[in-house]
Amino acid sequence: DGGITQSPKYLFRKEGQNVTLSCEQNLNHDAMYWYRQDPGQGLRLIYYSQIVNDFQKGDIAEGYSVSREKKESFPLTVTSAQKNPTAFYLCASSIGQARGEQHFGDGTRLSIL
Amino acid sequence: SQQGEEDPQALSIQEGENATMNCSYKTSINNLQWYRQNSGRGLVHLILIRSNEREKHSGRLRVTLDTSKKSSSLLITASRAADTASYFCATDGNAGNMLTFGGGTRLMVKP
Repeated sequence: DGGITQSPKYLFRKEGQNVTLSCEQNLNHDAMYWYRQDPGQGLRLIYYSQIVNDFQKGDIAEGYSVSREKKESFPLTVTSAQKNPTAFYLCASSIGQARGEQHFGDGTRLSIL
Repeated sequence: SQQGEEDPQALSIQEGENATMNCSYKTSINNLQWYRQNSGRGLVHLILIRSNEREKHSGRLRVTLDTSKKSSSLLITASRAADTASYFCATDGNAGNMLTFGGGTRLMVKP
């Protein structure tokens, strides 16, 4: 079955540590996105990539970094510069433009130890 | 601030009743989408309505769009306990046509 796989489901970060969240898709989609969701809130865009080897900052990129070396993969690194990383992180993809239907993974919940 | 805002923030109904959720937005859009999120899961796309459409149906879902009022509504008819979830609207009216999500309506359907 085609879809988006995020791992791990739960992740804990220590002070001063960088952690990387994995996102893999086998939908052959060009565009991929990372969102942050805080409790009871909507989604906020962190980074997006519309093509391999290219990515753009979203609304809340500070303290995060990404790479897009392969079409299928769009990992997100939460750096130590992100002072409030506790949140639910969602990865999504779409065939073309972001304005179209987006397909989501089941998220990674990140907490601070 | 968010482009889309859902109303109400929370809704509790009995099984078999209809549920109506509203979304208001601020800028012109190309289309508006509704998504569903079960607790602790990712979002699932429900329906997309284009700016030149006024109403769209999909099974028990009915979506309306009023661009003059910059608002949309999602109606779920004959609700079931399995419809319990959060529902989000998403619009593409910002720069770069990225989707902007509202804060969601949390729907609880009691059996």
